[in-house]
Amino acid sequence: AQKITQTQPGMFVQEKEAVTLDCTYDTSDQSYGLFWYKQPSSGEMIFLIYQGSYDEQNATEGRYSLNFQKARKSANLVISASQLGDSAMYFCAMRGPPGAGSYQLTFGKGTKLSVIP
Amino acid sequence: GAGVSQSPSNKVTEKGKDVELRCDPISGHTALYWYRQSLGQGLEFLIYFQGNSAPDKSGLPSDRFSAERTGGSVSTLTIQRTQQEDSAVYLCASSPGGLAGAYEQYFGPGTRLTVT
Repeated sequence: AQKITQTQPGMFVQEKEAVTLDCTYDTSDQSYGLFWYKQPSSGEMIFLIYQGSYDEQNATEGRYSLNFQKARKSANLVISASQLGDSAMYFCAMRGPPGAGSYQLTFGKGTKLSVIP
Repeated sequence: GAGVSQSPSNKVTEKGKDVELRCDPISGHTALYWYRQSLGQGLEFLIYFQGNSAPDKSGLPSDRFSAERTGGSVSTLTIQRTQQEDSAVYLCASSPGGLAGAYEQYFGPGTRLTVT
């Protein structure tokens, strides 16, 4: 079974500063994928970034980067130069091995990020 | 192009009534997922459809929940004899089939269900 743990229910960050949102995971699969999604107050789930378990380099997408530490089973999201529009819930999620059929995602409980002007 | 759409956006129903929630996936996406998000929680997987294969129903919480997907496109999630604990946001996601589906899931805006 897969499990995602996000230990920070809420975080505050000053505008233009960087912030790290924590995510640890547990799985017995050797091959897996890790995702981060953003959910603004409007409710839609917005894909941010993806990291495959065999990817040697940390994923980056614009101001988002994923700090992947496989041995520690952590996949922290780093947001650089925070903006007011970054205020939202952030969810870490995992899927199982490619070829396993269903790529259902297992989600953490989320971290609410508030950016302070 | 058009994203995943869901209807209705909000549904208020009385305890014991049946409800139907609809999902229109992105055109061409063969995989479709239903998730449930209770207040203050992460998303919980409910059911998965892939093409014409038998659905993966392993996440359905009780036999009051069922879903179908007609013609490999639109899906309907049905909750019978609704209970207050069914109150949640129901999210639908679609993805391309095959290996590409391992990397992308596009979510709809969700249906907020309130059972009174």
